[in-house]
Amino acid sequence: NAGVMQNPRHLVRRRGQEARLRCSPMKGHSHVYWYRQLPEEGLKFMVYLQKENIIDESGMPKERFSAEFPKEGPSILRIQQVVRGDSAAYFCASSPNSGGTEAFFGQGTRLTVV
Amino acid sequence: AQSVTQPDIHITVSEGASLELRCNYSYGATPYLFWYVQSPGQGLQLLLKYFSGDTLVQGIKGFEAEFKRSQSSFNLRKPSVHWSDAAEYFCAVAGAGNNRKLIWGLGTSLAVNP
Repeated sequence: NAGVMQNPRHLVRRRGQEARLRCSPMKGHSHVYWYRQLPEEGLKFMVYLQKENIIDESGMPKERFSAEFPKEGPSILRIQQVVRGDSAAYFCASSPNSGGTEAFFGQGTRLTVV
Repeated sequence: AQSVTQPDIHITVSEGASLELRCNYSYGATPYLFWYVQSPGQGLQLLLKYFSGDTLVQGIKGFEAEFKRSQSSFNLRKPSVHWSDAAEYFCAVAGAGNNRKLIWGLGTSLAVNP
């Protein structure tokens, strides 16, 4: 059973471009969480999704950021018109249907905006 | 407000010495508690977790943690540190409901002297 897969591992974008980060949860997991790790700020929750539903987006910036978890395929975190402040490590975690006791993390995507 | 405090930003210990990393939390109810470790440029690995029951929990790599409700603490310990334990350690809390989003401490960076 493969773990949580995130790709790409490293992503470089110029200011103003779009960044798409992908997360394939573990087999049988239907819950996905996205976190951002900014230098000097630590890890912050961004969004919690279930298949085809956004459950909690309280940590998402109001503009330029969106997330989806379609019925088929990976979860996508999309950042439009990236700025230097978006440079960070973005981690995805997945958990089983409700009742699971922990979430399993991917290796992260390190986004650099130049 | 829900929060996690790791008072020590950086700790240095000698190899073979004992280790205690502090974690205090503020949460409305008894949360689920976690310790994660992150090596440079890597993902997040779960060391141990507490949900209920015995307040002393054992984890991987020889780590243990003790939940003290009266002190709102969940300190991580290891009797004898190895050089390979040098990493960043994060304490996190989550609610007991279906939404298991994690609230993180800022982390403690551990250096190990030979």
